[in-house]
Amino acid sequence: GENVEQHPSTLSVQEGDSAVIKCTYSDSASNYFPWYKQELGKRPQLIIDIRSNVGEKKDQRIAVTLNKTAKHFSLHITETQPEDSAVYFCAAIGGGTSYGKLTFGQGTILTVHP
Amino acid sequence: DTEVTQTPKHLVMGMTNKKSLKCEQHMGHRAMYWYKQKAKKPPELMFVYSYEKLSINESVPSRFSPECPNSSLLNLHLHALQPEDSALYLCASSNRTSGRTEQYFGPGTRLTVT
Repeated sequence: GENVEQHPSTLSVQEGDSAVIKCTYSDSASNYFPWYKQELGKRPQLIIDIRSNVGEKKDQRIAVTLNKTAKHFSLHITETQPEDSAVYFCAAIGGGTSYGKLTFGQGTILTVHP
Repeated sequence: DTEVTQTPKHLVMGMTNKKSLKCEQHMGHRAMYWYKQKAKKPPELMFVYSYEKLSINESVPSRFSPECPNSSLLNLHLHALQPEDSALYLCASSNRTSGRTEQYFGPGTRLTVT
């Protein structure tokens, strides 16, 4: 089955800096890669996703890049703000599944210091 | 409207109790999911319903019994749970069960088994 590795496990930045979280996946047939943000005590919230037919997607201060050859994808947050502090999970859906089975990375605790 | 609702928000139950968790979505999604999330860990898939039929059971113990009465509702019946079952139980839905489709999470039910 699919295996997703996520790094780093914790990330601390100053407000205004950029933050980058990286994930690798094992199933070369994986075709959908969402990123979720989870604040303490709240639901995982889909913040951006990318499909295997594109290499980059951007939405305001967040962007995701995908390198299918290397089987890795990354989340980039620019001009970080304290409200960006949360746990971020990457995930992948294997190409062979027909049931939308998400495999999550272990999460990154992002702390943005004012 | 990307809203998935869950009740109750919190539940405390003894090991001999029987209780149910409820999930509802009105987005016309045809796939619904139950996840279990322990503190500081990613969500773990438990069950998937596709068109109101159980399509995936991730080897979940029989003390957890899912039910999908109609396309908008998903229940999780609990009986004879163990303290280690204490966790956040998340419901999610997606437009279809094939890959490359967004999953939206409900706020979760925080379950404590005493």
